[in-house]
Amino acid sequence: KQEVTQIPAALSVPEGENLVLNCSFTDSAIYNLQWFRQDPGKGLTSLLLIQSSQREQTSGRLNASLDKSSGRSTLYIAASQPGDSATYLCAAAGGTSYGKLTFGQGTILTVHP
Amino acid sequence: SQTIHQWPATLVQPVGSPLSLECTVEGTSNPNLYWYRQAAGRGLQLLFYSVGIGQISSEVPQNLSASRPQDRQFILSSKKLLLSDSGFYLCAWRTTGSTEAFFGQGTRLTVV
Repeated sequence: KQEVTQIPAALSVPEGENLVLNCSFTDSAIYNLQWFRQDPGKGLTSLLLIQSSQREQTSGRLNASLDKSSGRSTLYIAASQPGDSATYLCAAAGGTSYGKLTFGQGTILTVHP
Repeated sequence: SQTIHQWPATLVQPVGSPLSLECTVEGTSNPNLYWYRQAAGRGLQLLFYSVGIGQISSEVPQNLSASRPQDRQFILSSKKLLLSDSGFYLCAWRTTGSTEAFFGQGTRLTVV
C-alpha cells in the first residue's frame, strides 16, 4: 500500500526566501507525482505534474523534482511571496490505479512580509 | 476549456438525515471521476472512483455511496448521515489517457 509523507508539516519564512518542501513515497512504482496548492476552505489547484519518466518540471518560480529510486520528490519555491502562503500537497498516482491518488498530509506554508 | 462544478459549497445536516452532493464536469467526455474526503487532521482519502456511466468502485467501506447517472455527473449520497461523515468533500476528474487530475472547489459538510 502506497504511503506518502510530507516534511515539514509547517513552515514559516520571511518574504524573499527560497524554500524546499519534501515529499516521500514508499512504493516507487508510481505513474506520476502531482503537487497541489490548497488555500483555506478551497479546493486543490494543480501546480506541477511529473511523469514517472521525468526528473523535474518547472513553472515560473516553482520547480519540482522526482527521484523514483529513492522515493522522493521536492518542490522548490524561489523568492517566496506572501501570496504563496497556503497548504502544499503532493500526491502519487499508482502504476495501475486508474489515476487514483495517494496524498501526503501537506505542508502549511506561511510567508510573512 | 474544462471546468468542474460542485455544490453546495457548505452544508449543515443533522445526524440521520440523507445526503446528496453533486459534481459535474464540462468541456470533456468520458472522464474518470473521483470523490475524495478531507477530514480534520487527516489527509485526503479517496472514497469512490468511476471510469464510466454506472461504473463505481469503492475504496473504503463507509456510510456513503456514489452514482454516475450521466457521463459528466458524479453524485455522492448517504441515506443516514453519521457525525463521522463530517468533512470536506472534493470531486476530481481526469481525462482518460491523461495523467493530470483536477479538483473542484469542495463541499464543507458538517453533521450535527
